[in-house]
Amino acid sequence: EPEVTQTPSHQVTQMGQEVILRCVPISNHLYFYWYRQILGQKVEFLVSFYNNEISEKSEIFDDQFSVERPDGSNFTLKIRSTKLEDSAMYFCASRDPPKTQYFGPGTRLLVL
Amino acid sequence: KNQVEQSPQSLIILEGKNCTLQCNYTVSPFSNLRWYKQDTGRGPVSLTIMTFSENTKSNGRYTATLDADTKQSSLHITASQLSDSASYICVVSATGGGNKLTFGTGTQLKVEL
Repeated sequence: EPEVTQTPSHQVTQMGQEVILRCVPISNHLYFYWYRQILGQKVEFLVSFYNNEISEKSEIFDDQFSVERPDGSNFTLKIRSTKLEDSAMYFCASRDPPKTQYFGPGTRLLVL
Repeated sequence: KNQVEQSPQSLIILEGKNCTLQCNYTVSPFSNLRWYKQDTGRGPVSLTIMTFSENTKSNGRYTATLDADTKQSSLHITASQLSDSASYICVVSATGGGNKLTFGTGTQLKVEL
């Protein structure tokens, strides 16, 4: 069964550094999402992406965040200057309507 | 503000027993409600999805119900197994907005021998 993949599985970075989290959505899906889950808290929506542009974003998704689909397969989340509070599990998801969203295994980001 | 509340926060049951998890939501306009299972350190995996017109949906030992009038849902797990130990998350989608999902805080289920 096709699945969403994410790399790296773990990322440790210094505060102020840029990080890029990578996702390969399921190949025929057209909608892409990023979510985050701070340890012990619920999953929170960050951004949705369709037709090469952001369709919706939350208040968490400020100017430090950006998303890109650089080619036909990858979907990336960039954090320009990481803060301690960016430490979380980041999940990518993709969807082929009307089916549900399929989540990747996540990238655990630790900002020191 | 769209919100999803779940109860109980955590639950411990013996293997083979049944359990029911609850979800209340205030998401408008309502599109659909899903239940996800999330193993520790992994991404959520969809169990069921129900639209406004559906009031029950089964997936093996999992049965979800939906009362759109009272904005409540439940997930019933029958004949629990050790592998059912996980967080069960109620997730509600509003119409429009690219299918943005609002997540509940989850019920942490532990199945013991």
